[in-house]
Amino acid sequence: EIQMTQSPSSLSASVGDRVTITCRAGQGIANYLNWFQQKPGKAPKLLIYDASTLESGVPSRFSGSGSGTDFTLTINSLQPEDFATYYCQQSYSTPGGGFIFGPGTKVDI
Amino acid sequence: QVQLQESGPGLVKPSGTLSLTCAVSGGSVTSSHWWSWVRQAPGKRPEWIGEIFHSGSTNYKPSLKSRVAILLDKSSNQVFLKLTSVTAADTAVYYCARVRLSGSSKVFDHWGQGTLVTVSS
Repeated sequence: EIQMTQSPSSLSASVGDRVTITCRAGQGIANYLNWFQQKPGKAPKLLIYDASTLESGVPSRFSGSGSGTDFTLTINSLQPEDFATYYCQQSYSTPGGGFIFGPGTKVDI
Repeated sequence: QVQLQESGPGLVKPSGTLSLTCAVSGGSVTSSHWWSWVRQAPGKRPEWIGEIFHSGSTNYKPSLKSRVAILLDKSSNQVFLKLTSVTAADTAVYYCARVRLSGSSKVFDHWGQGTLVTVSS
C-alpha cells in the first residue's frame, strides 16, 4: 500500500493569500494524483485530477503540479469559501492498492 | 447532472451486517463508469472500500475484502454495500461515488451526501 503524507496538517491564512499544500507519495505514482476539498458535513469535492488538470466548474485560482512522489496544490487569492480541508488521493496502485487518501490539510482563518 | 443518494440504517449492532443503498439519478449505473463506496470515520481521512462496474466486476480494499460485497441493480439504478461482522471501528460516514475513467486513471467526480452509520449495541 502506497502511503500518502501531506504538509502542513493545518494552516491559517487570510482572504487574498496564496496558499500552497504539499502531498508526498511513498513511492513514484507518475501523475496519478487527485485533490479534493471537503467542508464540514459535506462530501469531498474533486478539484484537480491527474496532478494538474482542473475539474470542470472549479475556479481557476486552484492549480496543481508535480509528478512522481511530490505534488503541490496552490490556491491563488484565497476566497472565504475556500476555508476547508484538502485531501490528496493517489490512483496509481489500483485496484489492489486502493485509492489512498492523504491525511488532509485544514485551511482556516 | 448525476445525483447519488445513500440510505440505510443509521445504527448497526456489533457483529451485525451493515447494508446501504445508493440511488443514482440523472444517469445510469450501466454507463461507462465505476461506482465506489468510500467511508470516513469521524475526524479521519476518507477510506476507499471498493467499486463495481455494471458488468459485475468488483474490486475491494484488501483489508476489507473478506467482509465486503458491492452489488448493482440495473433495473432500479442502485448500488449496494454490504459489510459483515461490523465493529465499532466501522463507525463512519459512508459515501457512494461515481468514478469516471481519465485515460488510464480513475477520477471520483460525483459523490452522494453521505450517511452516518454507528456501530453500537
